Amino acid sequence: DAGVTQSPTHLIKTRGQHVTLRCSPISGHKSVSWYQQVLGQGPQFIFQYYEKEERGRGNFPDRFSARQFPNYSSELNVNALLLGDSALYLCASRGGARNSYNSPLHFGNGTRLTVT
Amino acid sequence: AQSVTQPDIHITVSEGASLELRCNYSYGATPYLFWYVQSPGQGLQLLLKYFSGDTLVQGNKGFEAEFKRSQSSFNLRKPSVHWSDAAEYFCAVGASGTASKLTFGTGTRLQVTL
Repeated sequence: DAGVTQSPTHLIKTRGQHVTLRCSPISGHKSVSWYQQVLGQGPQFIFQYYEKEERGRGNFPDRFSARQFPNYSSELNVNALLLGDSALYLCASRGGARNSYNSPLHFGNGTRLTVT
Repeated sequence: AQSVTQPDIHITVSEGASLELRCNYSYGATPYLFWYVQSPGQGLQLLLKYFSGDTLVQGNKGFEAEFKRSQSSFNLRKPSVHWSDAAEYFCAVGASGTASKLTFGTGTRLQVTL
């Protein structure tokens, strides 16, 4: 079975530009979460979507937005890119009920975003 | 709000030696605790988790972790390290009702010498 897939794998953008990152969850998983991992740090929670609705948001500015589609895939959008947005962006999917810990998070390999 | 501290940024052990990676958490109620491993260029893979019950939990690849409520710790151990265990290890804590919102530590990079 395919795991969580993310595209693109690498991306270089210039300050002020906009970027869209994509994620396809494991088949049957309705919950998708996004994390930002800055070099040398642990991942930080950005968003959770479940059944196409935002269910949680981390401490990130409004430049960050996301959505989930009827097929449960998801996009993360970042506007007005800053140098500090350079990071590995991880998508994770989870099966089961919206907030059940019985089904663990499955992470994709991430999108490496570099802002110059 | 919950938090996680991994006091060791980098640890080097010889192949075959034992390993202990430290993790301390801060959370007011019973925590949901996890250890993840990340190889270069890869996402995170779950090693083990603790929700309740037996405080010693077994995970993948021969790893185990022990939950000690009195010390707010959840240290990861392995009796004999293999060269393929070299990676970055992250401890994470989750709060009740927020299964997709984990708080991660800063990670410990494990180097294994032959």
